[in-house]
Amino acid sequence: EDQVTQSPEALRLQEGESSSLNCSYTVSGLRGLFWYRQDPGKGPEFLFTLYSAGEEKEKERLKATLTKKESFLHITAPKPEDSATYLCAVHGVTQGGSEKLVFGKGMKLTVNP
Amino acid sequence: KAGVTQTPRYLIKTRGQQVTLSCSPISGHRSVSWYQQTPGQGLQFLFEYFSETQRNKGNFPGRFSGRQFSNSRSEMNVSTLELGDSALYLCASSLGQGVGGYTFGSGTRLTVV
Repeated sequence: EDQVTQSPEALRLQEGESSSLNCSYTVSGLRGLFWYRQDPGKGPEFLFTLYSAGEEKEKERLKATLTKKESFLHITAPKPEDSATYLCAVHGVTQGGSEKLVFGKGMKLTVNP
Repeated sequence: KAGVTQTPRYLIKTRGQQVTLSCSPISGHRSVSWYQQTPGQGLQFLFEYFSETQRNKGNFPGRFSGRQFSNSRSEMNVSTLELGDSALYLCASSLGQGVGGYTFGSGTRLTVV
């Protein structure tokens, strides 16, 4: 069964304290791995798409990397405005041949000033 | 360009009633997918439509149904509402099954009382 596991479930950081979020996955026929940010009461906001192992993407204080079994979202010198829930999702092909997007349960990040 | 628009934003219904939610995708996007988000289960895939055809379906009962119109707008219907259907319902659009990534709307918050 296709699975996406995010860890930790919640993380508290001090402003400026860098850390990494992990997303491990099992899926057949990986088409892409997505990272989203979600603020309370809003829909997920797209951050990155990664397609192949070894690929890296950067945006401001965020950097996403991908291996064959997991992805990391590195947050460098975070600010309070980076506080949000970060979601990882895998776009793959199911055993039945259809495509689907499978989400992890998210990681709630709180950055204290 | 306009993003993904979901209406209504909030909805309160009584058990046993039915409800219809609407999603207008980004102009030019032909794929619309629906998700249910709850605190305990996270984001769960409901179904995906492409060019008016349902291409994929998640593990939800038949009370959950959807359709897509020729202009790519989509509706989701839930019949015989149960308390457990209370959730944030999110719609996402893409050029075609994840091509270029998925863009989410702000969601419809459904409360069943």
